[in-house]
Formats: sequence, C-alpha cells, structure tokens
Amino acid sequence: AQKITQTQPGMFVQEKEAVTLDCTYDTSDPSYGLFWYKQPSSGEMIFLIYQGSYDQQNATEGRYSLNFQKARKSANLVISASQLGDSAMYFCAMREALGRPGGYNKLIFGAGTRLAVHP
Amino acid sequence: DAGVIQSPRHEVTEMGQEVTLRCKPISGHNSLFWYRQTMMRGLELLIYFNNNVPIDDSGMPEDRFSAKMPNASFSTLKIQPSEPRDSAVYFCASSEGGGDTQYFGPGTRLTVL
Repeated sequence: AQKITQTQPGMFVQEKEAVTLDCTYDTSDPSYGLFWYKQPSSGEMIFLIYQGSYDQQNATEGRYSLNFQKARKSANLVISASQLGDSAMYFCAMREALGRPGGYNKLIFGAGTRLAVHP
Repeated sequence: DAGVIQSPRHEVTEMGQEVTLRCKPISGHNSLFWYRQTMMRGLELLIYFNNNVPIDDSGMPEDRFSAKMPNASFSTLKIQPSEPRDSAVYFCASSEGGGDTQYFGPGTRLTVL
C-alpha cells in the first residue's frame, strides 16, 4: 500500500494568491512525522516545514503552514501569498519508526506536485 | 553555516566505468543518508549511516553499489561497474539524529552512457 499520496501532479496559482498542496498518508505507527520539501528547477531539496504526530497545533514557517488533520490522515501544505520563486516541485514525506533500532526513522516520499506560479 | 556538500555536481561516464560520489555532512550531524531520484521511481533511500556505521542498506540496488563512511565528515557512494540504468540524481542528506529533519545536499546528476 502506498504510504504517501500526492494526488495533484501539477497545480497552477496566480501570484499573491494562496495555494494548498494535498498530501495523505498511511501508517500504523502512533509516532510519526510529516515533512514538506521543495525542489526548484536547480535540483536541490529544500526543507520547508515539519509536523509531529503528537503536535497539538498546526506547524507554520513564514508563508508556509501545514494543515494537519490526523483523523483524515492528511497533511496539506498551504502557501500564502504565492511568489514566482515558489514555482517548483513539492514533496511530502513521512518518517515512521516502526520499532527500528537506534532511533532510525525511515523517510518515505510522495511522488510530488509541480507548482507553477503565474504573474 | 555550510550545508551538506556533494561532489561532483555532474558526472558523465561510460558503461562499465567506476563512479565515486562524495558527501560531506553538516558538522555535528551523526546520521547520513544516500538517496537516488529517478523519474520512474521517485526518491529512494539507498543506505543510512549512524555514527559512521551502516544501519540500513536494504535500498542498495545490488552488489555493484557500495557505500562507506570512514569518518564523521565524509562518505562515498561507489558504483562499479556502472550501467546506463544507474543514471539518476544521487542525494546525500544528514540529520542530527536518525529521526530528525534531514537536510539534503545539492545532488550529483549521474549520466551513464
């Protein structure tokens, strides 16, 4: 079964508008974490935001916020006031321990969503 | 503060040749990860080191791939012999601990002709 699902291969948004990128996950581990990474055309992977499964509040980092709905197993990324520089691939990832030794949490990535910001 | 450093950024080689990719993790991070990214398979974890010791190498595709971490500031991923299907972007990432946020290097784009 797919662990991380990003159902939107591509998204368009007008500059200065907000956009939501979807991410659903599946795990049997009660302790897990959710990450979003940005990959611009230059290729590097840039960490954006993190949400722990026990965190009471939704994570926020500047213009990025994570809409975490635990019962629905979703962790959508919201980008407010989009900028041209936000055009990139966005990856949702989940880490789960599943009893692995040494505190090792394997990170599993979704297929990504390509966001295009139009002027 | 320097991020994860990878070299080379681009590598073009011919089938059968040996390829060595290099990574310097963020200072103070004790966990290091090698990933491969392809269009078909997305991002896949190849191997994970903790305190220079390989903990999980279940993602290493086959015996042609090997990885070492001789000290806390250096790791290599070697492919010998290389094949065209190894063409991909290889990322190195590091984190403070095995469960902490992973920070990625710029990647090495490998092309095997």
